[in-house]
Amino acid sequence: GNSVTQMEGPVTLSEEAFLTINCTYTATGYPSLFWYVQYPGEGLQLLLKATKADDKGSNKGFEATYRKETTSFHLEKGSVQVSDSAVYFCALRGRGAQKLVFGQGTRLTINP
Amino acid sequence: EAQVTQNPRYLITVTGKKLTVTCSQNMNHEYMSWYRQDPGLGLRQIYYSMNVEVTDKGDVPEGYKVSRKEKRNFPLILESPSPNQTSLYFCASSSLGGLGETQYFGPGTRLLVL
Repeated sequence: GNSVTQMEGPVTLSEEAFLTINCTYTATGYPSLFWYVQYPGEGLQLLLKATKADDKGSNKGFEATYRKETTSFHLEKGSVQVSDSAVYFCALRGRGAQKLVFGQGTRLTINP
Repeated sequence: EAQVTQNPRYLITVTGKKLTVTCSQNMNHEYMSWYRQDPGLGLRQIYYSMNVEVTDKGDVPEGYKVSRKEKRNFPLILESPSPNQTSLYFCASSSLGGLGETQYFGPGTRLLVL
């Protein structure tokens, strides 16, 4: 079945550092890929998405590129801020399906 | 404002005492779903509904029930809660659209079963 594997957390960085959170997936066909963010005490919000190979999703300075050859969708940001502290979830949705399959989440803490 | 609401946000109960967590969306979405979030496991789907009166099991349905009598509401029912159902629960909704269709999540319900 479909699955998502995320880099183990927690991740702690200093402000203005470069961020990468790795995400790889296993799926049949061509799934849609998503990054969701969960700020403390809140629900999940869509951060960015990509629906086909080589698509790049971007939002709030974050980017991720759909790489079919490596089955990856790594999240990157060039210069993180304290307000980026949250839990980040990589997820996929199979073609013709509605269900989201989530990775285990990565807790990110940014220190000033 | 487009939103998914859940109630209650926090709940402490005892084993065996029936409870219902409500979920409502104001976006006229066909699809609704319940997830539970546990440390190290991410979110796992409990039940989902493709439209009114159409529901089906997700990956972890044991111990839960749902109903979809109206399009906007999708309550989660725990007939006889047990401590292993202590978790953070999220309701989500989306339209039955294309590849990039976004699911919108409620704020979560934190449940403790003693």
